[in-house]
Amino acid sequence: GAVVSQHPSWVICKSGTSVKIECRSLDFQATTMFWYRQFPKQSLMLMATSNEGSKATYEQGVEKDKFLINHASLTLSTLTVTSAHPEDSSFYICSAKRRAGGFTGELFFGEGSRLTVL
Amino acid sequence: AQSVTQLDSQVPVFEEAPVELRCNYSSSVSVYLFWYVQYPNQGLQLLLKYLSGSTLVKGINGFEAEFNKSQTSFHLRKPSVHISDTAEYFCAVRKETSGSRLTFGEGTQLTVNP
Repeated sequence: GAVVSQHPSWVICKSGTSVKIECRSLDFQATTMFWYRQFPKQSLMLMATSNEGSKATYEQGVEKDKFLINHASLTLSTLTVTSAHPEDSSFYICSAKRRAGGFTGELFFGEGSRLTVL
Repeated sequence: AQSVTQLDSQVPVFEEAPVELRCNYSSSVSVYLFWYVQYPNQGLQLLLKYLSGSTLVKGINGFEAEFNKSQTSFHLRKPSVHISDTAEYFCAVRKETSGSRLTFGEGTQLTVNP
């Protein structure tokens, strides 16, 4: 099956620093990747859609300067939380859509990255 | 606008009992429907999906769901649950015209007790 890997799984940082989270599709090419944010005991909220070679599309209310997304290749998208603050602490999950095969109706999800900002 | 409502935030059941997790959606256009499972501190795993065709969909781990267009529902069922089924379950909807963007329900925590 298709595998999506996120790194790091856990990260703790000091307030004011920046943190980069990677999302890789290991055995397929992904034209589109999605970044979600999940607060404890809550659902996933779509933050942005990342297309390879173009600028990400952010959902309403998501600060694009705060959450920098780069999709430099067909297998890698990165989310950088800039000048992180405690309220940015959350579980971040990416998902990837396979390039080939048209609309299969399925996205493949990473394992998630838990960010804790002190 | 579309929305997804999972009617139960928590469902406790005993092992080997049947379970139904409810999901209703609202949309003015055709939709595709999904159920995902999330174990603690992990990403989401697809259980099953409805794209078209038969309204009864069978998925992994013995789960199934039935698409009911008139009631705009997509309830998830399992005839006999195991302790290992304890997890958070999310219903998700994708509009036919929205590309790959998913809208998730609030989630249902299924707890299977011995």
